[in-house]
Amino acid sequence: DQQVKQNSPSLSVQEGRISILNCDYTNSMFDYFLWYKKYPAEGPTFLISISSIKDKNEDGRFTVFLNKSAKHLSLHIVPSQPGDSAVYFCAANTNAGKSTFGDGTTLTVKP
Amino acid sequence: GAGVSQSPRYKVAKRGQDVALRCDPISGHVSLFWYQQALGQGPEFLTYFQNEAQLDKSGLPSDRFFAERPEGSVSTLKIQRTQQEDSAVYLCASNLDTGALGTGELFFGEGSRLTVL
Repeated sequence: DQQVKQNSPSLSVQEGRISILNCDYTNSMFDYFLWYKKYPAEGPTFLISISSIKDKNEDGRFTVFLNKSAKHLSLHIVPSQPGDSAVYFCAANTNAGKSTFGDGTTLTVKP
Repeated sequence: GAGVSQSPRYKVAKRGQDVALRCDPISGHVSLFWYQQALGQGPEFLTYFQNEAQLDKSGLPSDRFFAERPEGSVSTLKIQRTQQEDSAVYLCASNLDTGALGTGELFFGEGSRLTVL
């Protein structure tokens, strides 16, 4: 039973437009959420995070929204740039420390 | 070093062979994690160390998998009698562990890609 789900394996957007990546979770014990970005042949790198006591966190072009009642979070990238093309992983933590990851969404930003 | 370093980057093993994968975390990082990533999937938790103590090994798929971090820095993931289903990328990550467990981001290495023939 997958506790963190990214239901869209891929997403394609035009440069300059908004990219919205979605993530759903089932475990109500998760209290901290993170997004990672991964280029081919590299390890994931941290992008942005949000605590369960917040509903929004913004960092430059990246904003993460959390809807606890729906157990849903989303990552918004605006404006999207070709260099944003990568695999994006959603991850969720309990206070035990370990992260549970979704299967990723491959974002392609077309020039 | 500046980042998490893993070796070897690529390993091809014959079925039944033993392999050892090394992780050198960021200096000063207390926590160290091993993840397994199969093709097309997200990283799956294997085990977690805080310094030299292995606090959680619930993700290790079988007793053929063993991890250690004897001096609280470098860690080794050992897989005995490898099987084809062990083929995956093995990711190591470290974390500063500020005391607010579960709120720090992980710093990943580039991974070790294991192919078992």
